[in-house]
Amino acid sequence: EDKVVQSPLSLVVHEGDTVTLNCSYEVTNFRSLLWYKQEKKAPTFLFMLTSSGIEKKSGRLSSILDKKELFSILNITATQTGDSAVYLCAVRGYQKVTFGTGTKLQVIP
Amino acid sequence: ETGVTQSPTHLIKTRGQQVTLRCSSQSGHNTVSWYQQALGQGPQFIFQYYREEENGRGNFPPRFSGLQFPNYSSELNVNALELDDSALYLCASSLGPQETQYFGPGTRLLVL
Repeated sequence: EDKVVQSPLSLVVHEGDTVTLNCSYEVTNFRSLLWYKQEKKAPTFLFMLTSSGIEKKSGRLSSILDKKELFSILNITATQTGDSAVYLCAVRGYQKVTFGTGTKLQVIP
Repeated sequence: ETGVTQSPTHLIKTRGQQVTLRCSSQSGHNTVSWYQQALGQGPQFIFQYYREEENGRGNFPPRFSGLQFPNYSSELNVNALELDDSALYLCASSLGPQETQYFGPGTRLLVL
């Protein structure tokens, strides 16, 4: 059965800190790995990764995939209170998407 | 370009009843996926529709069924509701089955 495990489950940091969120997976017929941010209801798309070793960046957020070791990390530098949310990792197989439980990030002033 | 919309936003049903949830996909998107998200959990994949055909299904019983219409909007039907069906139901649309999914705001269902 496909599995996605995220760590840590929750994290509290101060504004300005850098955080690293982890996602490991076991998925049949891997197609892509996705990161989402969920604040209230709808998850909002952050990154889609398909190739190992190529970093994707968007502002203070960046992510990279290691298909050999089956994991991905999401980095957030210079955190702000607006970064407080649940960060979801999902892996797409052939006809299915499997999500992890998420990492709850709280950024305090 | 309009985003993904879902209706209703909230719904209360009793055990044994049936419910229909609706989703309008983003303009130009031909693929819709449905997810169930229980409190404190990640979304669980229910199924995906691509050009009106089911194109993948998660581990949900047959009482969870769906439809996709020619305009690519979609419905999720759940029969014989159980207490454990209480959750946030999310719909996501995409340009194709392997493309990035964009989520709607969800329907929160409470089964009493």
